[in-house]
Amino acid sequence: DAGVTQSPTHLIKTRGQQVTLRCSPISGHKSVSWYQQVLGQGPQFIFQYYEKEERGRGNFPDRFSARQFPNYSSELNVNALLLGDSALYLCASSVVGESEAFFGQGTRLTVV
Amino acid sequence: GQQLNQSPQSMFIQEGEDVSMNCTSSSIFNTWLWYKQDPGEGPVLLIALYKAGELTSNGRLTAQFGITRKDSFLNISASIPSDVGIYFCAGRSSGNTPLVFGKGTRLSVIA
Repeated sequence: DAGVTQSPTHLIKTRGQQVTLRCSPISGHKSVSWYQQVLGQGPQFIFQYYEKEERGRGNFPDRFSARQFPNYSSELNVNALLLGDSALYLCASSVVGESEAFFGQGTRLTVV
Repeated sequence: GQQLNQSPQSMFIQEGEDVSMNCTSSSIFNTWLWYKQDPGEGPVLLIALYKAGELTSNGRLTAQFGITRKDSFLNISASIPSDVGIYFCAGRSSGNTPLVFGKGTRLSVIA
């Protein structure tokens, strides 16, 4: 069975640009969460979606947005990129109501 | 954002030694999860704990859910070179709430 897949794996963007990251959850998992991991830190929660609705939002500015599609895949969008947005962006999928979360390999975003 | 207190930050051990790391929180959690992350990869789930006092093993790994529900411990016995990586604890207050992570313990194993 395929695990959580994220694309692209690496991305370089310029300050002020916009970026879209994609995530496909494990088959049967309807909950998708996004985390940001900067170097030397643990992942920080950005968004959670299930049943195509936003169910939770972390302490991130409005430049960050996300959505979930009918097939439960998800996109994370970041507008007006700042240097500080450079990080590993992780997607995690889980069964709704269950605590175990499984992560993809992440998208490494570098803003220059 | 909130992060759990995880210690030690890093450790260097000889191959074959046992390792112990822990995680504490000011909040009560209903679930504790332990992950391992290799460079350039996403975290991989090692052990999940669901009940205060629970002790769970996965091969050479053993983790415990503290009875106060505010802490957890991970032990690795007889370490081997492939144990190298960063270990993260994560807590969740209920099934659908976000995971809160520690800052990680970087483990280096000297052959």
